[in-house]
Amino acid sequence: AQSVAQPEDQVNVAEGNPLTVKCTYSVSGNPYLFWYVQYPNRGLQFLLKYITGDNLVKGSYGFEAEFNKSQTSFHLKKPSALVSDSALYFCAVRDINSGAGSYQLTFGKGTKLSVIP
Amino acid sequence: EPEVTQTPSHQVTQMGQEVILRCVPISNHLYFYWYRQILGQKVEFLVSFYNNEISEKSEIFDDQFSVERPDGSNFTLKIRSTKLEDSAMYFCASSVSSGSVYEQYFGPGTRLTVT
Repeated sequence: AQSVAQPEDQVNVAEGNPLTVKCTYSVSGNPYLFWYVQYPNRGLQFLLKYITGDNLVKGSYGFEAEFNKSQTSFHLKKPSALVSDSALYFCAVRDINSGAGSYQLTFGKGTKLSVIP
Repeated sequence: EPEVTQTPSHQVTQMGQEVILRCVPISNHLYFYWYRQILGQKVEFLVSFYNNEISEKSEIFDDQFSVERPDGSNFTLKIRSTKLEDSAMYFCASSVSSGSVYEQYFGPGTRLTVT
């Protein structure tokens, strides 16, 4: 079974400072990893994904994430936070080996990011 | 930019009643999904749908649930006889193809409240 952990319910960061939102995963095989963001009254919006290749992936709005296989982590980062980045962030995983016809994503509980002006 | 849309945004119903949640996926997408999020808990997979049939479902998706694509644009989730524990935010999603390299695009959700 696959699972995702986001150890922090909330992360507070000052505007202009770097931010990190943590995610660790557990799968039996190799993972496909995703980050989504949710603004109030909006759906989950895709930010970035790791499939294969370079461990550092870049996504929308200046976000990036680093895949670390040995630590089974996929932390979301941004060098300089904006107030407009304040939202709920979800990490999700799919196990490559979960079988044909299985496309479900397993989500973490979400981390609320607050960027303080 | 194309978006997944969902209606209604909020549905209140009494226990035992049937509800239908509606979704319009992105037009060139072929795979459709329903997820739900009970308040304060994780987003959970319910079902995936392709070529007019269910391709995968979770243990949550029991006989009280059904999905349908009644026409070329809508994708619906029906709960036959709602229970209090069905109260949640229900998200519809779609993807252009089946491979997991193709990210899923989510709608804004329908908040279902069962009283």
